[in-house]
Amino acid sequence: DSGVTQTPKHLITATGQRVTLRCSPRSGDLSVYWYQQSLDQGLQFLIQYYNGEERAKGNILERFSAQQFPDLHSELNLSSLELGDSALYFCASGQRGGTDTQYFGPGTRLTVL
Amino acid sequence: GQNIDQPTEMTATEGAIVQINCTYQTSGFNGLFWYQQHAGEAPTFLSYNVLDGLEEKGRFSSFLSRSKGYSYLLLKELQMKDSASYLCAVGNDYKLSFGAGTTVTVRA
Repeated sequence: DSGVTQTPKHLITATGQRVTLRCSPRSGDLSVYWYQQSLDQGLQFLIQYYNGEERAKGNILERFSAQQFPDLHSELNLSSLELGDSALYFCASGQRGGTDTQYFGPGTRLTVL
Repeated sequence: GQNIDQPTEMTATEGAIVQINCTYQTSGFNGLFWYQQHAGEAPTFLSYNVLDGLEEKGRFSSFLSRSKGYSYLLLKELQMKDSASYLCAVGNDYKLSFGAGTTVTVRA
């Protein structure tokens, strides 16, 4: 158990819908990272927050957005969902926000039908 | 851009040694990480190298040569539970860029 929690564990929804994934970092960690993992793409970095502020952005679609709240939990919002958005979404946390060792949560499996 | 290459699959026998190579070309470098990932589960941290040389941690060791853009993960005394995907990741610009992973299958 890494200490990072993610909810929900599974999510099934329809195309065009909007969902919110939630992540709580390990106690004491200030950084949250979001990744998408699909079978044909591997683990892709989406976005990082450090102490409430966006720090780095990867290949995140405009339909996706995220934020980190004052209590350091983070939410990833996915809208206008498409079939290709079906994937495992991982959240990871780290202490400092630089090139930290990142500890991953159990992931949310999103299925878009 | 980032280019991180590692073999797709490797097979080895229980009790043996396997070496997983990773080569990288990245625009920045703040360290190299290895993660283990069992199917459908979260990646778990194995090792971190920022300086050249070998880091040993129990049955797992990791080596880095920054001048060659090369790292390897060495798994000794293989056990069945070591069957998993092993991900090489390069840290730069506040993020990790991951390779596609090497699936290691351990046979009895």
